[in-house]
Amino acid sequence: SQELEQSPQSLIVQEGKNLTINCTSSKTLYGLYWYKQKYGEGLIFLMMLQKGGEEKSHEKITAKLDEKKQQSSLHITASQPSHAGIYLCGADNQAGTALIFGKGTTLSVSS
Amino acid sequence: DAGVTQSPTHLIKTRGQQVTLRCSPISGHKSVSWYQQVLGQGPQFIFQYYEKEERGRGNFPDRFSARQFPNYSSELNVNALLLGDSALYLCASSGGLAQETQYFGPGTRLLVL
Repeated sequence: SQELEQSPQSLIVQEGKNLTINCTSSKTLYGLYWYKQKYGEGLIFLMMLQKGGEEKSHEKITAKLDEKKQQSSLHITASQPSHAGIYLCGADNQAGTALIFGKGTTLSVSS
Repeated sequence: DAGVTQSPTHLIKTRGQQVTLRCSPISGHKSVSWYQQVLGQGPQFIFQYYEKEERGRGNFPDRFSARQFPNYSSELNVNALLLGDSALYLCASSGGLAQETQYFGPGTRLLVL
């Protein structure tokens, strides 16, 4: 079965600093999604990547998909306290009917 | 526009009891999926329903069941609750059957004592 590994598991950054979160799949990626979750709440959709080499940005968050490496990265520029939360990557299963998630990366931003 | 809604927000049950969780998808969405998220883990897929039919099932026991109604809302039922069923139950909706972005509700926090 497919597994997604996220790294780091958690990180603390100072406000204004840049950071990167990685998501590596054990199998071919058909669609890769990034979500953000506040503790104990629902998931907020950030971005979806489908094609190798694809890169998308929203405000200060950029996500890239390296299909050959079966890996995606999420980069936050000039972090703010509002960026704090749990970032989850999810991948379509082969049928495209369900998402498989990594365990998440907990981000804390200190001011 | 209203997003995915779930009820109740919190629930406390004892072992052996049964529970029903409810979900209303985004207007126009025909697919509803259910996920279980235990503390410190990512969500685990339970079911997908599309056009009122079960289209996918995760690795969960038969104590878990679901259905989708003509208005595309959905219920998740869990029988004979175990302590290990304590989790955040998330509902997600999407417009189509496959490879479409899933939008999640706020979840129902279930505690089994």
